[in-house]
Amino acid sequence: DIVMTQTPLSSPVTLGQPASISCRSSQSLAHSDGNSYLSWLQQRPGQPPRLLIYKSSNRFSGVPDRFSGSGAGTDFTLKISRVEAEDVGVYYCMQATQFPWTFGQGTKVEIK
Amino acid sequence: QVQLLQSGPGLVKPSQTLLLTCAISGDSVSNNSTAWNWIRQSPSRGLEWLGRTYYRSKWYNDYAVSVKSRITINPDTSKNHFSLQLNSVTPEDTAVYYCARDPGRSAGGRGFDYWGQGTLVTVSS
Repeated sequence: DIVMTQTPLSSPVTLGQPASISCRSSQSLAHSDGNSYLSWLQQRPGQPPRLLIYKSSNRFSGVPDRFSGSGAGTDFTLKISRVEAEDVGVYYCMQATQFPWTFGQGTKVEIK
Repeated sequence: QVQLLQSGPGLVKPSQTLLLTCAISGDSVSNNSTAWNWIRQSPSRGLEWLGRTYYRSKWYNDYAVSVKSRITINPDTSKNHFSLQLNSVTPEDTAVYYCARDPGRSAGGRGFDYWGQGTLVTVSS
């Protein structure tokens, strides 16, 4: 199975400032169709995970444009351009290139 | 809008069977491009995919190696839902269990785009 490793595990951020989370995969996520099937999920306290970004850089329906994703191969990044209070939670990367789909361990975003 | 609504008991005794159901609205369990999944989350294991069921002219299932000998996922087309059965549970199976939809590569390869609300299942006597 592909192992997903996130850094940092915790990210204290000032409101209105940017935040960045990295995700590295143990194998390339480049599919034979040319896409990297890397998703980012947000989990607010007491809630199920929510899809934010898919195929590395595509925002899911209803996701604010302050969230952006980038990367290919084995290295990926989620950026929040200006953190808002509602962004507090745990963020997970997930790969859907090679079955079974696997998740990173999560990065906790909290307000300083 | 797709919605997944989970139901089932929150407490199961050791050695017994865990049974959860996920009711689908806004899509069909028989959709031939979608897969219907069960995932669990615990502090020790994080998010762990358990298995899926999907229809491609006939029904298929895939299961995680870690639970393969104990798990069954069944679709019910008459009720448009799918279920998780996990046998011979131990305290290590204590977790929040989620159902989730994977719309497949034809929908952009999103992974899991809609999730159930989650069910905390505690295995204890």
